[in-house]
Amino acid sequence: EAQVTQNPRYLITVTGKKLTVICSQNMNHEYMSWYRQDPGLGLRQIYYSMNVEVTDKGDVPEGYKVSRKEKRNFPLILESPSPNQTSLYFCASSLSGGGDNEQFFGPGTRLTVL
Amino acid sequence: AQKITQTQPGMFVQEKEAVTLDCTYDTSDPSYGLFWYKQPSSGEMIFLIYQGSYDQQNATEGRYSLNFQKARKSANLVISASQLGDSAMYFCAMREGDTGGFKTIFGAGTRLFVKA
Repeated sequence: EAQVTQNPRYLITVTGKKLTVICSQNMNHEYMSWYRQDPGLGLRQIYYSMNVEVTDKGDVPEGYKVSRKEKRNFPLILESPSPNQTSLYFCASSLSGGGDNEQFFGPGTRLTVL
Repeated sequence: AQKITQTQPGMFVQEKEAVTLDCTYDTSDPSYGLFWYKQPSSGEMIFLIYQGSYDQQNATEGRYSLNFQKARKSANLVISASQLGDSAMYFCAMREGDTGGFKTIFGAGTRLFVKA
């Protein structure tokens, strides 16, 4: 089944404890992206990747890191999480970065930073 | 800077009636794509419909159609014959082309309530 998976789905952590959220897709998509969703703000793009070893900042990259060492995986790293990073996180992928490609979303990861 | 505006935080519609969800956008990139996604209470993001900036005709997908008015920079979603299962959050999104760096931005969303 073609899908985007995220692990973990739920995470509660404490301020400053490094964490990684794993995103993987099995559709051979070139474009992958991370978003955070907060009430009243919609989804905001954190980072995106056009292909392996190519990553770019979205609108809210502060406090996050990403890497794209292989095509299928796009982990999101919070080196020192803070409470304002409590949010619902979505990973998404599309065939390419072109404007005509729909994005396929993962199920979301709900993160709480205490 | 690119921007997506959804001016209706919430909308009510009677079952079986049509409803229009508004979306306006702003971009200087001549090549872009406009998308609508549905997010039910279960939380997943479901792709509904796509419109390209160079498309001459409005996109349609079943009960969904996109009223694309390029000069006004609007891309409203029309849902015909509303069903109870249409109650959800709806997001308008735009993906720019290479001029805009292939970023994607979303609007704040419109919550639709379908009444029986």
